[in-house]
Amino acid sequence: GAVVSQHPSRVICKSGTSVKIECRSLDFQATTMFWYRQFPKQSLMLMATSNEGSKATYEQGVEKDKFLINHASLTLSTLTVTSAHPEDSSFYICSATAPVTDTQYFGPGTRLTVL
Amino acid sequence: AQRVTQPEKLLSVFKGAPVELKCNYSYSGSPELFWYVQYSRQRLQLLLRHISRESIKGFTADLNKGETSFHLKKPFAQEEDSAMYYCALGGSNYKLTFGKGTLLTVNP
Repeated sequence: GAVVSQHPSRVICKSGTSVKIECRSLDFQATTMFWYRQFPKQSLMLMATSNEGSKATYEQGVEKDKFLINHASLTLSTLTVTSAHPEDSSFYICSATAPVTDTQYFGPGTRLTVL
Repeated sequence: AQRVTQPEKLLSVFKGAPVELKCNYSYSGSPELFWYVQYSRQRLQLLLRHISRESIKGFTADLNKGETSFHLKKPFAQEEDSAMYYCALGGSNYKLTFGKGTLLTVNP
């Protein structure tokens, strides 16, 4: 089946630093990738839609300068949390849409802790 | 606006009992609905989607446009069904709107 990986699985950083999270579709070329944020015991909140070769589309209330998304290829999207603050601590999950079925496959998530 | 409501945060049943996880949606267009499941310490995975009309792991869900519902049902719950279940509504550009989820616990 289709597999989506994320790296790193967890990261701890100091306040003010930037952190990059990678999302890869391992065995398929994703038509679209998505980035979600999940707070403890809450649902997934869509942050942005990422398409290869074009600018990401951000959901209302998500700061594009804070959460930089780069979609370098059909199998790789990166999310960079810039100038991280403790309130950015969260679980970040990516998904990739497989062609033909248009099914979204999810990565395992990245736990970000900002000290 | 798109909205998905899962009214039950927690649902607890005994093994062998029927289970129904409720999902209601609000959408102006023709809806595409999904159920995703997240087992403990695992990633979110697709359980079923309404257009395929499949039965996965004994679960079924029927889209009721009149009641704007897509409830997930299983006649005989198993302990391994214990997990977090999310109902999701597909929109334009493959975007998904998730409900808040229902934590199902199946007791022995």
